Amino acid sequence: GENVEQHPSTLSVQEGDSAVIKCTYSDSASNYFPWYKQELGKGPQLIIDIRSNVGEKKDQRIAVTLNKTAKHFSLHITETQPEDSAVYFCAARPVNFGNEKLTFGTGTRLTIIP
Amino acid sequence: DAGITQSPRHKVTETGTPVTLRCHQTENHRYMYWYRQDPGHGLRLIHYSYGVKDTDKGEVSDGYSVSRSKTEDFLLTLESATSSQTSVYFCAISPLGAAYNSPLHFGNGTRLTVT
Repeated sequence: GENVEQHPSTLSVQEGDSAVIKCTYSDSASNYFPWYKQELGKGPQLIIDIRSNVGEKKDQRIAVTLNKTAKHFSLHITETQPEDSAVYFCAARPVNFGNEKLTFGTGTRLTIIP
Repeated sequence: DAGITQSPRHKVTETGTPVTLRCHQTENHRYMYWYRQDPGHGLRLIHYSYGVKDTDKGEVSDGYSVSRSKTEDFLLTLESATSSQTSVYFCAISPLGAAYNSPLHFGNGTRLTVT
């Protein structure tokens, strides 16, 4: 089955700086890669996703890049703000399967230092 | 929170007792999922449902059972709770199965402690 590794497990950055979280996956059949943000006391919430036919996707201060050859994808947050402090999860699954085949990374706790 | 209510939000129970967690949705979504979240493991799928009375096992289903008698309710039962089942449990829903535009929407979780 799929194995998703996520690094780092914790990350602290100064407010206004950029943050990068990286994930690698093992199954070459995976081609859908979502990112979820989990705030304290709440459930994860989808913030951005990318499919394998796209190398990069941006949404305001958030971007995701995908390198299918190397089997890794990354989340980039620019101009970080205090409200970006949360736990972030990457995930991967094959396109012809449903969310029952979605494999999550172990999470990154991001802390924005004012 | 996409119309998902989990109950209870917190529960402490003793080893060997049965426990049922409830997930209620108001979105009329076909797919419902139960995950557990543990430090160092991320989110792991326990069971899922693809319709009324249609359920299947996930990655970590041992010791758990589920039932779905109505579209809006998905119950997770620990027949005889063990300390290893201490965790935060999340319910999730999605409208479609094997489709791109089918993200998971999560509830706010149930924190279960087995003493």
